[in-house]
Amino acid sequence: GDSVTQMEGPVTLSEEAFLTINCTYTATGYPSLFWYVQYPGEGLQLLLKATKADDKGSNKGFEATYRKETTSFHLEKGSVQVSDSAVYFCALTGNQGGKLIFGQGTELSVKP
Amino acid sequence: DTAVSQTPKYLVTQMGNDKSIKCEQNLGHDTMYWYKQDSKKFLKIMFSYNNKELIINETVPNRFSPKSPDKAHLNLHINSLELGDSAVYFCASGNSGDGANVLTFGAGSRLTVL
Repeated sequence: GDSVTQMEGPVTLSEEAFLTINCTYTATGYPSLFWYVQYPGEGLQLLLKATKADDKGSNKGFEATYRKETTSFHLEKGSVQVSDSAVYFCALTGNQGGKLIFGQGTELSVKP
Repeated sequence: DTAVSQTPKYLVTQMGNDKSIKCEQNLGHDTMYWYKQDSKKFLKIMFSYNNKELIINETVPNRFSPKSPDKAHLNLHINSLELGDSAVYFCASGNSGDGANVLTFGAGSRLTVL
């Protein structure tokens, strides 16, 4: 079945550092890809999405490009802030009844 | 206005008890979901309802019974609670007609079974 694999956390960075969180997927057909973010004590929020190959999703300085050839959707941000500390989830929806399948989550901690 | 609201936010109970978690969405979405998040933050879908009809039922013990009285509500009832049921349960909603199927999540209900 469809699946998503993210890099292991936790990731600890200093403020203004460059962030990459790797995400690869396995799916039949052409899934839509997402990054969701979960701030401490809260539910998940959509951060960005891409629905077809070569699409780039972006929001709040975060970017991810849908790479069909490498089945990847890596999350990047040029300069992280303390307020970006959260758990980041890569996810996809494919042909399995529209359900959202998540990676295991990557915890990001940004230190001042 | 809260888009997806769950109650209660926290629930502490003894093994063997029966408990319910309620979820309501005011977004006009036609599909609702229950996800379970374990202590390692892993999220797994449990159920999905589309217009009150069950469309996704993952491998969940039959002690868990979802109920959808209308498309704006999806409640989760759990019988004979076990220690392993301790988790955060998230309700979510979306539209089946949305090709990207973006979901809106509630804030979660943290269940602790003692």
